Amino acid sequence: GAVVSQHPSRVICKSGTSVKIECRSLDFQATTMFWYRQFPKQSLMLMATSNEGSKATYEQGVEKDKFLINHASLTLSTLTVTSAHPEDSSFYICSARWGYEQYFGPGTRLTVT
Amino acid sequence: AQTVTQSQPEMSVQEAETVTLSCTYDTSENNYYLFWYKQPPSRQMILVIRQEAYKQQNATENRFSVNFQKAAKSFSLKISDSQLGDTAMYFCAFMKHVDAEGQETSGSRLTFGEGTQLTVNP
Repeated sequence: GAVVSQHPSRVICKSGTSVKIECRSLDFQATTMFWYRQFPKQSLMLMATSNEGSKATYEQGVEKDKFLINHASLTLSTLTVTSAHPEDSSFYICSARWGYEQYFGPGTRLTVT
Repeated sequence: AQTVTQSQPEMSVQEAETVTLSCTYDTSENNYYLFWYKQPPSRQMILVIRQEAYKQQNATENRFSVNFQKAAKSFSLKISDSQLGDTAMYFCAFMKHVDAEGQETSGSRLTFGEGTQLTVNP
């Protein structure tokens, strides 16, 4: 089956620093990748949709200057949380679309101290 | 815009019994896909079952089956012979149709419901 990896799985950083999360489709090419944020016991909230070679489309209310998304190739998308603050602490999940299905990465737990 | 509603925040079932999770949705689209995803404590999202709206036959995957009522915009999940490993958060999701070549079309995002936490008790 299609596999999506995310790295790192956990990251702790200090307030004011930037953190980069990688999302890779390992055995297929994904023209579209999605980034979600999930708070405990809540549903997934779509942050942005990224298409290879073009700018990401951000959902309303998501700060594009804080959450930088780069989809440089058909197998890699990155999310950079710039100048992270404690309120950015959350679980971030990526997914990659293949056909009409999305395949999810295992998620990244970000803790900002 | 599409909406997906799961009215049961929590449910529990005894091992080996059957449980049904409810999901309703609202859309003006005629062609779309519906999914049930499972998120166990590991938090890895796992596809349980999918249904294409143009198919009248209800999808089935081993112990998992759906009751798809297009006119009522209802898409419930039935889990038979529940197992301890079925304990997870279950999300119902909607996606508008994408074309046959899988080309990107506007709105190919997933719209998720709020989720139902299912606990299978021994």
